[in-house]
Amino acid sequence: AQKITQTQPGMFVQEKEAVTLDCTYDTSDQSYGLFWYKQPSSGEMIFLIYQGSYDEQNATEGRYSLNFQKARKSANLVISASQLGDSAMYFCAMRSGTGANNLFFGTGTRLTVIP
Amino acid sequence: NAGVMQNPRHLVRRRGQEARLRCSPMKGHSHVYWYRQLPEEGLKFMVYLQKENIIDESGMPKERFSAEFPKEGPSILRIQQVVRGDSAAYFCASSPPPQATNYGYTFGSGTRLTVV
Repeated sequence: AQKITQTQPGMFVQEKEAVTLDCTYDTSDQSYGLFWYKQPSSGEMIFLIYQGSYDEQNATEGRYSLNFQKARKSANLVISASQLGDSAMYFCAMRSGTGANNLFFGTGTRLTVIP
Repeated sequence: NAGVMQNPRHLVRRRGQEARLRCSPMKGHSHVYWYRQLPEEGLKFMVYLQKENIIDESGMPKERFSAEFPKEGPSILRIQQVVRGDSAAYFCASSPPPQATNYGYTFGSGTRLTVV
């Protein structure tokens, strides 16, 4: 069975500092994809970054990078140079198996950036 | 704006009424997914549709909930005889045909249903 675990209900970070949001996953499939989404207080779901299970390099998108450790089944999100606008809920999600239809989401981490 | 359009943004229904949530996918996307988010939780998959076809409804409650994606018009998630426990945010996502595992989803802004 597929499972996504986010163990940090809430995190605080000083503005301009880097922060790591943890995500571990469990799947028996060899082919899978990992996603991070941001949900600000306005409620929409904003795609941040994607990592495929066969990708050899860690994904990066601007200030977002994904620390992918396949053997440990972890896919932590690193946000560098935090900004006040980064304050939001962050969800890790997985799509598992070739041709799989849906995403499994973790319970989320609420990030607060302190000025 | 060519993104996924959901309406209404907010919907209030009394217990026993019907709720209809609409989703227009991104241009060029033929696959629609519905997710539900209860307060302080992550999103949970409900149903996956293509035009005129339900592909996977493994996350749909067995009663009162139905979804369609007609040949013309938006996808509709229908909840009959709503109860307080149906209060949640309902998100729609769309994607191009899934040829590989790395296709992307685009989410709409969600519909917040409140049952009073």
